[in-house]
Amino acid sequence: GNSVTQMEGPVTLSEEAFLTINCTYTATGYPSLFWYVQYPGEGLQLLLKATKADDKGSNKGFEATYRKETTSFHLEKGSVQVSDSAVYFCALNSGGGADGLTFGKGTHLIIQP
Amino acid sequence: GAVVSQHPSRVICKSGTSVKIECRSLDFQATTMFWYRQFPKQSLMLMATSNEGSKATYEQGVEKDKFLINHASLTLSTLTVTSAHPEDSSFYICSAIYGPSSDQPQHFGDGTRLSIL
Repeated sequence: GNSVTQMEGPVTLSEEAFLTINCTYTATGYPSLFWYVQYPGEGLQLLLKATKADDKGSNKGFEATYRKETTSFHLEKGSVQVSDSAVYFCALNSGGGADGLTFGKGTHLIIQP
Repeated sequence: GAVVSQHPSRVICKSGTSVKIECRSLDFQATTMFWYRQFPKQSLMLMATSNEGSKATYEQGVEKDKFLINHASLTLSTLTVTSAHPEDSSFYICSAIYGPSSDQPQHFGDGTRLSIL
């Protein structure tokens, strides 16, 4: 079956540091890959996505590249801000938009000023 | 952007009570809605997929008689936890998508924290 593994948190960084949150997956077929973010007190929001190999998703300074050869979709940002503090979830679906998502456990990111 | 409203946000009730959670798409017609469950420090686990006017499809290990799902319209799906017990205490989250395209993202509600005493 499908599974997503992402690095355990919490991850604590200083403002303007470089961020990487690792995500690897196991899936049948050719999954679409997603990063969702949950800010304190809010629901899940789509941060970025990639639907095929070598695609790069980007949004709000965050990027992730769909690497089929390493089955990875690592999230990166060059310079984090305090406002980036949140829980980040890596997810996939392998059956198209009408299928539910398989999520990783989430990584709690804390950015200190 | 697309908004999904989930109600109530928190429920505390006695063992044996049935609890209904509503999920509404406020500004779009949701062809498909999903129900997830999240235990503390665990990932969201898909419970079931709900299409308007048809029976929900449950994931393996999810009791359909325990977790009743009704998707009566394109803007409303409900999850009823029947005869809830303490082990049903969890965080329940719904999401909705519009249209048949595989590129459509899921829009999530804010979740319902259910506590069974």
